[in-house]
Amino acid sequence: DIQMTQSPSSLSASVGDRVTITCRASQSITTYLNWYQQKPGEAPKLLIYTASTLQSGVPSRFSGSGSGTDFTLTISTLQPEDFATYYCQQSYSTPLTFGGGTKVEIK
Amino acid sequence: EVQLVESGGGLVQPGGSLRLSCAASGFTLSTYSMNWVRQAPGKGLEWVSYIRSGSNTVYYADSVKGRFTISRDNAKNSLSLQMNSLRAEDTAVYYCARANFIAASASYYFDYWGQGTLVTVST
Repeated sequence: DIQMTQSPSSLSASVGDRVTITCRASQSITTYLNWYQQKPGEAPKLLIYTASTLQSGVPSRFSGSGSGTDFTLTISTLQPEDFATYYCQQSYSTPLTFGGGTKVEIK
Repeated sequence: EVQLVESGGGLVQPGGSLRLSCAASGFTLSTYSMNWVRQAPGKGLEWVSYIRSGSNTVYYADSVKGRFTISRDNAKNSLSLQMNSLRAEDTAVYYCARANFIAASASYYFDYWGQGTLVTVST
């Protein structure tokens, strides 16, 4: 199974900050890497797929990069509605594993 | 508009069974691969099962293999998850999620999710 490791597990940031979340795969997954945002009591929402493609309707302050084993989700200017938990997911092979999540909290 | 609506969750005793359903609208379910993903209280996301579009090819997480069965009813445009021999560790919100696959760009991702249904396994 491919293990997905996210860091940090949580972070505190202020509105307007630049935030970077890292996801590392235990083996190469080329660019089969997706990012989801989840707010309390809600279903996850797709933000980025194939490592760097922004899902339709997602604000351009979100961006993704990486390939192989190392990936990054960046929020360029944190907005109040961005406080949530973010998950990476590999879709290279089954089981389709998720990272442990990164909770972005208000400083 | 694409919608996925899960139902069938509830309280069940250890060793019991439950059948979850996911009603799809706004698209033809049989033309997409579909997944179940669960989330234990206060925990992260765990992929559970997958059924491939256009075929009956299925995959399961090791944690549910042999106990859970995923299926699709094309006439009703719905997805199901039959859960047997339930354990306390199966307690979670269960989401159905549509998978979008684009071979040309090596893309495979979950673009639509239902709101989830809570399964509680307890005495």
